[in-house]
Amino acid sequence: DSGVTQTPKHLITATGQRVTLRCSPRSGDLSVYWYQQSLDQGLQFLIQYYNGEERAKGNILERFSAQQFPDLHSELNLSSLELGDSALYFCASGSPNSPLHFGNGTRLTVT
Amino acid sequence: GQNIDQPTEMTATEGAIVQINCTYQTSGFNGLFWYQQHAGEAPTFLSYNVLDGLEEKGRFSSFLSRSKGYSYLLLKELQMKDSASYLCAVRHAGNMLTFGGGTRLMVKP
Repeated sequence: DSGVTQTPKHLITATGQRVTLRCSPRSGDLSVYWYQQSLDQGLQFLIQYYNGEERAKGNILERFSAQQFPDLHSELNLSSLELGDSALYFCASGSPNSPLHFGNGTRLTVT
Repeated sequence: GQNIDQPTEMTATEGAIVQINCTYQTSGFNGLFWYQQHAGEAPTFLSYNVLDGLEEKGRFSSFLSRSKGYSYLLLKELQMKDSASYLCAVRHAGNMLTFGGGTRLMVKP
């Protein structure tokens, strides 16, 4: 158990809809990272937060947004969903000079 | 930009040794990580190199040469359960972690 909690585990929704993915980092970790992994693809970095502030942005679509709350949990919002958004979405947390630890992911299926 | 290359697939025999290579070009460097990922599961941390040289951890070892932008992961005494994807990742500017595409390792009896 990595200590990073993601909910829900699975999400099935229709095109055009909006969903929210939730992540609670490991105790003591201030940074939260979001990654997208499409089928048989590598991990694509979306966005990073540190102690409530956005730190870095990857190839995140304008339809996607995220935030980190004062209790350090984070949410990733995906809107106007398209079939191509179907993927595994991973959250990871970490501290400086330590490895990232990943949650079990949310599998999103857009139909 | 960031560029991390590793072979797409490798096959090895149970009990053997396999070496998975990773080359990188990144803006800034603050460590190289190896993760293991079974299909549909979360990546799990294997090893971390920030200085040149070899880090050994049981059946797994990882090597880094910063001047060459090169790392490898060595797996000894391969077991069937080692069949998985192995991800090379570089921590660079802003504490970001960029992943390579992963190497799918198949261990055969």
